[in-house]
Amino acid sequence: GQSLEQPSEVTAVEGAIVQINCTYQTSGFYGLSWYQQHDGGAPTFLSYNALDGLEETGRFSSFLSRSDSYGYLLLQELQMKDSASYFCAVQNQAGTALIFGKGTTLSVSS
Amino acid sequence: EPEVTQTPSHQVTQMGQEVILRCVPISNHLYFYWYRQILGQKVEFLVSFYNNEISEKSEIFDDQFSVERPDGSNFTLKIRSTKLEDSAMYFCASSESGQGPHNEQFFGPGTRLTVL
Repeated sequence: GQSLEQPSEVTAVEGAIVQINCTYQTSGFYGLSWYQQHDGGAPTFLSYNALDGLEETGRFSSFLSRSDSYGYLLLQELQMKDSASYFCAVQNQAGTALIFGKGTTLSVSS
Repeated sequence: EPEVTQTPSHQVTQMGQEVILRCVPISNHLYFYWYRQILGQKVEFLVSFYNNEISEKSEIFDDQFSVERPDGSNFTLKIRSTKLEDSAMYFCASSESGQGPHNEQFFGPGTRLTVL
């Protein structure tokens, strides 16, 4: 089966940098995805790593180490609107569905 | 920008009643999914659907659940006899590609189901 671990809460101030870690256990790994969810709304795709290393998309970057079964999401120049829940996810063994972690609630204060 | 839509946004029902949640996936997507999220918990996979049949389903998706693509645009989730524990947000999602390295999924806004 698949399981993912990530911190439940992170707090930071505007302009800061925050890193949200995710460790996973899975049989059949395709890649690690990150989704953002505001106030229970639709999860929205942020990034995907299939290979080791860093992927950068604007203020957000995501990192993967397959040998360590570990990844992180890095958010830079934090803004109040970044306050949300962030989920890491892997695909199931058949590759047909996303299995989500429990989510990390990020609170950004001024 | 194309998006997944869901109706209704909120459904209140009595225990034991049947409910149908509706979704319109993005038009050129071929793979459809239902997920649920109990308040304050993680998003959980229910079922995936491709080519008019279920590709995969989770342990949650028992005999009281069914999915259907009744026409070329809608994708529905039916819960035959609702239980209190079915109260959750139900998200529909679609993707262009399915099985494989990367199937970015686009989620709808969700239907909040409340079972009384």
